[in-house]
Amino acid sequence: EDQVTQSPEALRLQEGESSSLNCSYTVSGLRGLFWYRQDPGKGPEFLFTLYSAGEEKEKERLKATLTKKESFLHITAPKPEDSATYLCAVQGRYTGGFKTIFGAGTRLFVKA
Amino acid sequence: DVKVTQSSRYLVKRTGEKVFLECVQDMDHENMFWYRQDPGLGLRLIYFSYDVKMKEKGDIPEGYSVSREKKERFSLILESASTNQTSMYLCASSPFSGRATRETQYFGPGTRLLVL
Repeated sequence: EDQVTQSPEALRLQEGESSSLNCSYTVSGLRGLFWYRQDPGKGPEFLFTLYSAGEEKEKERLKATLTKKESFLHITAPKPEDSATYLCAVQGRYTGGFKTIFGAGTRLFVKA
Repeated sequence: DVKVTQSSRYLVKRTGEKVFLECVQDMDHENMFWYRQDPGLGLRLIYFSYDVKMKEKGDIPEGYSVSREKKERFSLILESASTNQTSMYLCASSPFSGRATRETQYFGPGTRLLVL
């Protein structure tokens, strides 16, 4: 069964304390893996798309990496404004179409 | 910038009422989606549409219907609202998938629905 598991559920960091969020997945024929940021009461905001193992993408303090079984979202020297829920989603290839599955998210709290 | 708008940020309805949630996108995207988001469960797909007047059931379609009369507009309908439909509803859109592209979904701000 296809699934996406994010860990940890919640992460508390001090400002400047670097860390990583994990997204483990099993999917039929990976077409893409997506990272989103979601602030409380708002819709998810797109961050990155990764297409194949070994690919990396960066945006400010965030760096996403991808292997055949998992993706990491590395946060370098986080600031309080990085506090949010980070969602991972994978898109798999199926007969006749595709399907996107979302993880439950990791809630990140960064304290000044 | 892609913009997806939803008609209401907050709604309070009574059990048994018919509820309409509207979503509009301005990027000429072919695909549109309705999700609900509940704590600890992530986003769950209710319905999606690949084209005008086309609709496909997602993972949890029971109790919902949809309408897509125009390309830019996708409506979610709760025929008879129930308390277990209290949730955050998110609309998303994405461009058509060619052989070399993968769709990134762009989300609206969400509608928080409370059914009493």
